[in-house]
Amino acid sequence: EVQLVESGGGLVQPGGSLRLSCAASGFTFSSYAMHWVRQAPGKGLEYVSAISSNGNNTYYANSVKGRFTISRDNSKNTLYLQMGSLRAEDMAVYYCASYVWGSYNYWGQGTLVTVSS
Amino acid sequence: DVVMTQSPLSLPVTLGQPASISCRSSQSFVYSDGNTYLNWFQQRPGQSPRRLIYKVSNRDSGVPDRFSGSGSGTDFTLKISRVEAEDVGLYYCMQGTQGLTFGQGTRLEIK
Repeated sequence: EVQLVESGGGLVQPGGSLRLSCAASGFTFSSYAMHWVRQAPGKGLEYVSAISSNGNNTYYANSVKGRFTISRDNSKNTLYLQMGSLRAEDMAVYYCASYVWGSYNYWGQGTLVTVSS
Repeated sequence: DVVMTQSPLSLPVTLGQPASISCRSSQSFVYSDGNTYLNWFQQRPGQSPRRLIYKVSNRDSGVPDRFSGSGSGTDFTLKISRVEAEDVGLYYCMQGTQGLTFGQGTRLEIK
């Protein structure tokens, strides 16, 4: 069974940092590009960042470019999102998702990031 | 960016009746391989999204056959032939051909 389990969310002050993790199991993690998608409270889904299967290529939405860093450790089957200079508008549930041919075939359960003083 | 526009944004439906959600894109997004990477996701209350349909009309494993996807060009539709209580939630279209963009979401509720 495919599982994606996010962790690392929590309360952080504006301007602060947080690192999210996504532990994958049940599929060949190293063969898949992985993405982070977020959902602000009561809002829709928004692509945040992507990383290629081998980690050599990374991509970011304009809204987080320069502040967030995506990475992965294929030996640990884990995806990361290092978030810095956090703003109120970054508050959201962050989902990791496996990406294949223009689609997300599996999603995690999400982890909530709250940005507030 | 390709903008995806869903309608309606709220969809009250009587149990057992059909439902239809439209997704229109600001431009066509056929990939160089000839495929149109248009997806539909369901998000039940309190849950993470789940893919229902990929490449316009391909149903995922385990998705009931009352769900179907169709369309081409800039006009796509998700249809539910007979709505059941478990279908309540949000539905999103997403194109994955030119970047990745989601529609605003359609909230399906039981009337």
